[in-house]
Amino acid sequence: EVELLDSGGGLVQPGGSLRLSCAGSGFTFSSFDMSWVRQAPGKGLEWVSSITGSGGSTYYADSVKGRFTISRDNSKNTLYLQMNSLRAEDTAVYYCAKGGDSWPFDYWGQGTLVTVSS
Amino acid sequence: DIQMTQSPSSLSASVGDRVTITCRTSQSISIYLNWYQKKPGKAPYLLIYAASSLQSGVPSRFSGGGSGTDFTLTISSLQPEDFGTYYCQQSYSTPFTFGQGTKLEIK
Repeated sequence: EVELLDSGGGLVQPGGSLRLSCAGSGFTFSSFDMSWVRQAPGKGLEWVSSITGSGGSTYYADSVKGRFTISRDNSKNTLYLQMNSLRAEDTAVYYCAKGGDSWPFDYWGQGTLVTVSS
Repeated sequence: DIQMTQSPSSLSASVGDRVTITCRTSQSISIYLNWYQKKPGKAPYLLIYAASSLQSGVPSRFSGGGSGTDFTLTISSLQPEDFGTYYCQQSYSTPFTFGQGTKLEIK
């Protein structure tokens, strides 16, 4: 059974940093693109970033480019999102998802809440 | 960027009704169109991928259609558990944009 477990969210001040993690199991982690999608309070879903199975290619939404870095450790079946220079508008529930380029997001983590506030 | 336009933005329907949600894209995306159901406090749930393929485990009352720029999600006979917000999403090119959502309420 495919499982994704998000973690790492919390309260951070504007300008601060946070690293999210997503542990995958039940599938060959290194064979699949992985992504982060977020939902701000009262808003819709927003794609944030994707990474290919090998980690060789990464993609970002313009809203986070230059501030967020997606990475993965296939030996640990874990996906990461390093978030720097956080802003109030980054406040959201962040979901990791299996899938990316040309593929649907077929499995999702439970979500982790990031709150950026002073 | 590919823009996604969903309609309606909200609707209220009765159990047993047939419901159709549409999604239009600003440029052709072939069949790289997916549909998700989102309930408060829960992760999104994939219903339909590649425009018309039913994800494993999804009830057969859900169906999808279309190609190019115009797509539909149909629920053939609405059930009480189908409340929530429905999103279309394109996986054709980055940024992998979502529609703004359609909030479905059961009367």
